[in-house]
Amino acid sequence: NAGVTQTPKFRVLKTGQSMTLLCAQDMNHEYMYWYRQDPGMGLRLIHYSVGEGTTAKGEVPDGYNVSRLKKQNFLLGLESAAPSQTSVYFCASRLDSYGYTFGSGTRLTVV
Amino acid sequence: AQKITQTQPGMFVQEKEAVTLDCTYDTSDQSYGLFWYKQPSSGEMIFLIYQGSYDEQNATEGRYSLNFQKARKSANLVISASQLGDSAMYFCAMRPRRSVEKLTFGTGTRLTIIP
Repeated sequence: NAGVTQTPKFRVLKTGQSMTLLCAQDMNHEYMYWYRQDPGMGLRLIHYSVGEGTTAKGEVPDGYNVSRLKKQNFLLGLESAAPSQTSVYFCASRLDSYGYTFGSGTRLTVV
Repeated sequence: AQKITQTQPGMFVQEKEAVTLDCTYDTSDQSYGLFWYKQPSSGEMIFLIYQGSYDEQNATEGRYSLNFQKARKSANLVISASQLGDSAMYFCAMRPRRSVEKLTFGTGTRLTIIP
């Protein structure tokens, strides 16, 4: 089925460990986004990409890195996880002005 | 900068009644889009409805309608004939039309439908 796929769905990390979250879309969308969702704060943009090979910082980029080597994939990396990065992470892609498609989310806990 | 305000952290509504979820926004842009998303307990973000700032008519999608009052900068979601499956978090969001950047989200309203 067409859509946005996020892996993994759940992960527990120890403080200082690293990991990469993968977002894959098969809709040929140019724009891709990584958000984090924390209780009482809605979704906040971490990084985004307007096309293959491009990335840009969003509202809360500190502690994260991203890469978009292929148009269909957008990777979010945590080099040294901190408890403050415990959150639910959503990837989204967009084709036109309002056609955002969200993945199902990754629940990350840093202990 | 854009800001979305949802002043109702939680609402309880009797099944089959209509419900209005409030959303006000602040932007200096003239052209923008307004969105509502539903997030059930399973966690996914489900797109409900979209309103462009230059659309003259209020958007409707089935039981959902958006009460858009541009001068008051409000974009309330109206759900008619509520159902138990409507119980979820609801988020209002906005994006300037010329921006490639983010949707700006509100903090959400948790809606609970009572049988």
